[in-house]
Amino acid sequence: TQLLEQSPQFLSIQEGENLTVYCNSSSVFSSLQWYRQEPGEGPVLLVTVVTGGEVKKLKRLTFQFGDARKDSSLHITAAQPGDTGLYLCAGASDRDDKIIFGKGTRLHILP
Amino acid sequence: DSGVTQTPKHLITATGQRVTLRCSPRSGDLSVYWYQQSLDQGLQFLIQYYNGEERAKGNILERFSAQQFPDLHSELNLSSLELGDSALYFCASSPRGGRPYEQYFGPGTRLTVT
Repeated sequence: TQLLEQSPQFLSIQEGENLTVYCNSSSVFSSLQWYRQEPGEGPVLLVTVVTGGEVKKLKRLTFQFGDARKDSSLHITAAQPGDTGLYLCAGASDRDDKIIFGKGTRLHILP
Repeated sequence: DSGVTQTPKHLITATGQRVTLRCSPRSGDLSVYWYQQSLDQGLQFLIQYYNGEERAKGNILERFSAQQFPDLHSELNLSSLELGDSALYFCASSPRGGRPYEQYFGPGTRLTVT
């Protein structure tokens, strides 16, 4: 069974600090997506990474796909209260197109 | 606004009943995915359709079924409802030809079974 483990589960930090959250698996994925979800709403796609070692930047957010395509990280620089939300990673299996979501990291940025 | 629409937004029903959730994908997207999200289980993939055909199946119960119609909208049917089926149900659509690279989620249907 493929699993995506996200860590930490919860993170509460002050505005202006930097943080990194992780998404790990023992399985290889053809692609990996990061989403942000706010309470009562659907997840919103932030980025897709496809190539091992790939790094993508979205303003203050930096996403990296591991060389072996088994893990990914999301780094936020100078966090702001608007970054608060549930961050989900999702992996797409090459074998059967099934999508697996991690349980997410709930991030709270204190003003 | 992702362009994916879901109805109804809220649904309250009793155990043993049957309900139908509806989803319209973004214009031009051929793939539709259904997910169940509960507090303790996270976002669980149920099923994917591509251009009317079932493409992939996740942890979907036998009491649940889905279909995608020629106009590409999709319906998720939940029957013999149990208290544990209370959850948020999301539909997502994808622009790529069947490959799940990017998904755009609807606002969800909150199902409460009493």
